[in-house]
Amino acid sequence: GESVGLHLPTLSVQEGDNSIINCAYSNSASDYFIWYKQESGKGPQFIIDIRSNMDKRQGQRVTVLLNKTVKHLSLQIAATQPGDSAVYFCAENSGPQGGSEKLVFGKGMKLTVNP
Amino acid sequence: DVKVTQSSRYLVKRTGEKVFLECVQDMDHENMFWYRQDPGLGLRLIYFSYDVKMKEKGDIPEGYSVSREKKERFSLILESASTNQTSMYLCASSFRGSIQYFGAGTRLSVL
Repeated sequence: GESVGLHLPTLSVQEGDNSIINCAYSNSASDYFIWYKQESGKGPQFIIDIRSNMDKRQGQRVTVLLNKTVKHLSLQIAATQPGDSAVYFCAENSGPQGGSEKLVFGKGMKLTVNP
Repeated sequence: DVKVTQSSRYLVKRTGEKVFLECVQDMDHENMFWYRQDPGLGLRLIYFSYDVKMKEKGDIPEGYSVSREKKERFSLILESASTNQTSMYLCASSFRGSIQYFGAGTRLSVL
């Protein structure tokens, strides 16, 4: 079946470094992708999203890159801070209407920022 | 700010009990979702609702039912709780075609 997965289960970085979290997806018909951050004891929190008609989208300290040719999605966090320590999930839509009516989530990757 | 509120953070129930998990959102969202989250398996969709009294099965609906009598409230029901339903349950809501916003989660233990 279709699946969304992450390349690395854990990532440890030094404070101030840039972090890159990668995600592969398998549904070539997906047209909407989203990144969530989940801190310990909390629900997932929206970070940034991107539609398939874009290659790149920037937010505050975060950038999402979409490579449709190889079905790859990445999240870049600039100047990583201790508060960025969390589990990060990528997700793709799977509903017939597009958008995010139904999302397929990756299993998550834990980012640890060392002071 | 969007607020999705789950009625309990922690629940402990016994095998065979009927369990209700409640979720309320204050943003007039059409869509509401129930997921469970297990280590190594990520988030899996149990049920979702795209309107009052409307529901659709997700990937793992077995052993669960849902109720949406009012737009702001979406309930997950475990008719007869089993130990394999011990998990973190997450509720989310969204406008159509838009971002899903999540509650803080309910950690359910079935003994």
